[in-house]
Amino acid sequence: DAGVTQSPTHLIKTRGQQVTLRCSPKSGHDTVSWYQQALGQGPQFIFQYYEEEERQRGNFPDRFSGHQFPNYSSELNVNALLLGDSALYLCASSGPTGSSGNTIYFGEGSWLTVV
Amino acid sequence: AQSVTQPDIHITVSEGASLELRCNYSYGATPYLFWYVQSPGQGLQLLLKYFSGDTLVQGIKGFEAEFKRSQSSFNLRKPSVHWSDAAEYFCAVGILAGNKLTFGGGTRVLVKP
Repeated sequence: DAGVTQSPTHLIKTRGQQVTLRCSPKSGHDTVSWYQQALGQGPQFIFQYYEEEERQRGNFPDRFSGHQFPNYSSELNVNALLLGDSALYLCASSGPTGSSGNTIYFGEGSWLTVV
Repeated sequence: AQSVTQPDIHITVSEGASLELRCNYSYGATPYLFWYVQSPGQGLQLLLKYFSGDTLVQGIKGFEAEFKRSQSSFNLRKPSVHWSDAAEYFCAVGILAGNKLTFGGGTRVLVKP
């Protein structure tokens, strides 16, 4: 059973560019969340997708957007990259409430460096 | 809004010694509580979780945590630390199952030989 998978694992972008990160949730999970983890800090919630809709959003600007596909996979897009966007981006998935899918599982993350 | 505090930024412990990591949360009701571990350059691995029931929960790698409602705490313990336990540990709280998590700042554990 594959866990949460993310791609790419590492990437370097130039300030002002745009980036797309991808995530496939754990089998049986229908909810995908994205987190940003800056160096030396705990992860910060960006947003959550369920049934292809953004269900919740953290305190991040509109430059951060996402999408969820019918197969529950998800993308995180960041426009107009800033140096401060350099971080580890973590994808997390969870299943239907009330089932064993209550637990939230994380992928290995995508390291983004903005230069 | 809920918040999580991990008072200890760094902890150094000798191999074989016991370990306790503190976590305090702020929320009006009983939240869902988690402990995750992160090795350098890696993602987050779930150690254990508390949703309801027995307040002492067992996790993987010999870890356990105790939920104390009166103290709003969910401290993580391990009786005997191994060198491979050196990592960063994060406590997290969620309001509803599968909902967003709020993380503490993490505690970095160093293990001395």
